[in-house]
Amino acid sequence: DTEVTQTPKHLVMGMTNKKSLKCEQHMGHRAMYWYKQKAKKPPELMFVYSYEKLSINESVPSRFSPECPNSSLLNLHLHALQPEDSALYLCASSQVIGGSYEQYFGPGTRLTVT
Amino acid sequence: AQKVTQAQTEISVVEKEDVTLDCVYETRDTTYYLFWYKQPPSGELVFLIRRNSFDEQNEISGRYSWNFQKSTSSFNFTITASQVVDSAVYFCALSEPAQGAQKLVFGQGTRLTINP
Repeated sequence: DTEVTQTPKHLVMGMTNKKSLKCEQHMGHRAMYWYKQKAKKPPELMFVYSYEKLSINESVPSRFSPECPNSSLLNLHLHALQPEDSALYLCASSQVIGGSYEQYFGPGTRLTVT
Repeated sequence: AQKVTQAQTEISVVEKEDVTLDCVYETRDTTYYLFWYKQPPSGELVFLIRRNSFDEQNEISGRYSWNFQKSTSSFNFTITASQVVDSAVYFCALSEPAQGAQKLVFGQGTRLTINP
């Protein structure tokens, strides 16, 4: 099973709302990732968790707050977002940190900020 | 810095034609990993292949084949007898070690349209 699930599939939120994106995998992967993808662009890395600890934050604004409650779950908490934050948010996981293993992606959450 | 270039922004062919997607990369590492991903309109990136820098054998998987040439820093992807279901955006990516983790450096992607 190489499935990564993400909820919700679509999300519309106002700039004053607080919402969370959820990601889950049951492949035993110990690395999990959040990406942001704008239309007609490649995914941009936001955060990397390794063994449930944040290992990379790509200078993401604090209105995005990641959380990794356990080895299977990854959350992205959203607060006071801007319209330019509207994008497809992708979660991914990989087997081992180190560069040699492929990442498996979820279907993404399409976020619209109004 | 590592870089991946996919010079073909969009390609449109008629079904059953063969099509090659180009990927050129830059890296100073002697050990590195290259990937191809497919992103259909649904949005999910689907892993297609991983290739390490020590393995220059070409690979074939059904209608898909990959040509890895270190001498030209290229990792091209060919679809034989294309089908409408192959329509998607295809990304080539290079793995970059960073702070004990893995970062993928993506090319800009090639949007492939297969017309019936």
